[in-house]
Amino acid sequence: NAGVMQNPRHLVRRRGQEARLRCSPMKGHSHVYWYRQLPEEGLKFMVYLQKENIIDESGMPKERFSAEFPKEGPSILRIQQVVRGDSAAYFCASSPPGTREPQHFGDGTRLSIL
Amino acid sequence: AQTVTQSQPEMSVQEAETVTLSCTYDTSENNYYLFWYKQPPSRQMILVIRQEAYKQQNATENRFSVNFQKAAKSFSLKISDSQLGDTAMYFCAFTRNYQLIWGAGTKLIIKP
Repeated sequence: NAGVMQNPRHLVRRRGQEARLRCSPMKGHSHVYWYRQLPEEGLKFMVYLQKENIIDESGMPKERFSAEFPKEGPSILRIQQVVRGDSAAYFCASSPPGTREPQHFGDGTRLSIL
Repeated sequence: AQTVTQSQPEMSVQEAETVTLSCTYDTSENNYYLFWYKQPPSRQMILVIRQEAYKQQNATENRFSVNFQKAAKSFSLKISDSQLGDTAMYFCAFTRNYQLIWGAGTKLIIKP
């Protein structure tokens, strides 16, 4: 049973470009969560999605960031017009519906902004 | 505010020794889950152990065990017979509904 799959593992962008991060949840999981980890810090919640629905985006910056989880395909975290401060590790986690089970994490995407 | 405090930024022990990492948290909820995650230099996030707050019995997973004191809101991790592969950042976290609230981490170094 494959785990949470994130790609790419590393992404380099220049300031002003767009970054698209992908996350495929574990099989049977319909809940996806995105977290951001700044250097030397713990993870911070960004957004919680179910298929075709954003449940809670209270941790998302108000501008430039968006997330989706379409009916078909992976969840996408999109960052427009990236700035140096967006450099971080972005982790995706998934869980089965209706549970408080541990969230299984992907290996993360390391985003570097030049 | 719901927070997690890990008071030891860095710890270092000799291989085969036992080490305890501390964690305190603050929540007004009664039912929640607590976790310890390990982040090795490869930067993956690996679940080490979990504890259900309504269970009094401390969770154990091989060499890893916790000391859960609900009234004190304390959740320490004990690693017995430490190994070089245990070198990593260790994060304590608890659930707030569907979110995980994280501490800042403890860097653990196991010396040969």
